[in-house]
Amino acid sequence: QSALTQPASVSGSPGQSITISCTGTSSDIGGYKYVSWYQQHPGKAPKLIIYEVSNRPSGVSNRFSGSKSGNTASLTISGLQAEDETDYYCSSYTSSKTVVFGGGTKLTVL
Amino acid sequence: EVQLVESGGGLVQRGGSLRLSCAGSGFTLSTYWMSWVRQAPGKGLEWVANIKQDGSEKHYVDSVKGRFTISRDNAKNSLYLQMNSLRAEDTAVYYCASNAFDIWGQGTMVTVSS
Repeated sequence: QSALTQPASVSGSPGQSITISCTGTSSDIGGYKYVSWYQQHPGKAPKLIIYEVSNRPSGVSNRFSGSKSGNTASLTISGLQAEDETDYYCSSYTSSKTVVFGGGTKLTVL
Repeated sequence: EVQLVESGGGLVQRGGSLRLSCAGSGFTLSTYWMSWVRQAPGKGLEWVANIKQDGSEKHYVDSVKGRFTISRDNAKNSLYLQMNSLRAEDTAVYYCASNAFDIWGQGTMVTVSS
């Protein structure tokens, strides 16, 4: 049950696009479509922004998009805005019927 | 309004026990797999346990197996986490969430003192 691997930090300028990777194994990301992404502001509960690899919940900006290739999932944020600066996490269903999260990525908008 | 509200957190000594509760409102909790997720201070999210709609299937992260028990009372629209033999490393904010993680509570803090 090792955590999924995310970069500790990424940064970008307003208006640019950034991508956050999330690497797992064939027993989690590579084996299932149940990959999700979350945005978490300090002191707040996480907010679901992508589910089942590439689907956005109602009300989530279309600037957020997700994809998957093999054992790696990715979150892309386009048209970066100052309000996007916070922490992002990925998660995946696993072959053990459990869930595993990534270690989290801090996004800085320069 | 769809809402989950956790309660039961607090300060407990190492080796002690605590029972967390999570009350759902605005939706029928009985139709969802449910999870507990925790977050140690300054750290990332860690999934802890989940439970099937009827309580017949439960899964746990290895670090809590044999110490924590997840349960539910669908008649009360509620989810629970019984935590025994608590360790310092269990100190965290504990969130209840739908297993699809589209619904989250606000979290309850558990502090285990050594």
